[in-house]
Amino acid sequence: EAEVAQSPRYKITEKSQAVAFWCDPISGHATLYWYRQILGQGPELLVQFQDESVVDDSQLPKDRFSAERLKGVDSTLKIQPAELGDSAMYLCASSLEAGGQAEQFFGPGTRLTVL
Amino acid sequence: AQSVTQLDSQVPVFEEAPVELRCNYSSSVSVYLFWYVQYPNQGLQLLLKYLSGSTLVESINGFEAEFNKSQTSFHLRKPSVHISDTAEYFCAVRPYSGGYQKVTFGTGTKLQVIP
Repeated sequence: EAEVAQSPRYKITEKSQAVAFWCDPISGHATLYWYRQILGQGPELLVQFQDESVVDDSQLPKDRFSAERLKGVDSTLKIQPAELGDSAMYLCASSLEAGGQAEQFFGPGTRLTVL
Repeated sequence: AQSVTQLDSQVPVFEEAPVELRCNYSSSVSVYLFWYVQYPNQGLQLLLKYLSGSTLVESINGFEAEFNKSQTSFHLRKPSVHISDTAEYFCAVRPYSGGYQKVTFGTGTKLQVIP
């Protein structure tokens, strides 16, 4: 069964350091999402890609966060510099299309701890 | 804008007892409705969804949810829970309208099934 892959699964870093997360969506899925899930809360969309283009990054803290999907397949989310408040689970999801009915498939997530 | 309210952060229930997880939403436009389940240290999995048609939707593992438009609710129910149902459950909405509409999640309800 096809799955969304994410790495690393866990990351511990010190504040002011740079971190990067990688996501490989299900093959053929044009839409890719990065979510942040703070402990005790639901996922919050950070950025949405349609193929290689960003279609929504309104909630992405652009002073420190960046995301790319250069070839419209896998994607990288970067934080530089990391802050204590960035500790959270970072989830990647993909869907066949961007329509409202399209099911999103989630990866296992990367749990980030900033010390 | 949309919002989702899950008033119960934790719901303990004995094994084989019935359970209801409450979800209310607010939206100025029509929405699709979803329930996702998240097991510890894993990503979210779609449990069931309401797109249109019959207001009662069912999942393959015995959960059901009923869309109530007048009360703007989409409560999740199961007549008899199992230990394996212990997880966190998220209600979510996504607008009907075209374009790139994001999913809005509730804060989640942790279901703890007691043996």
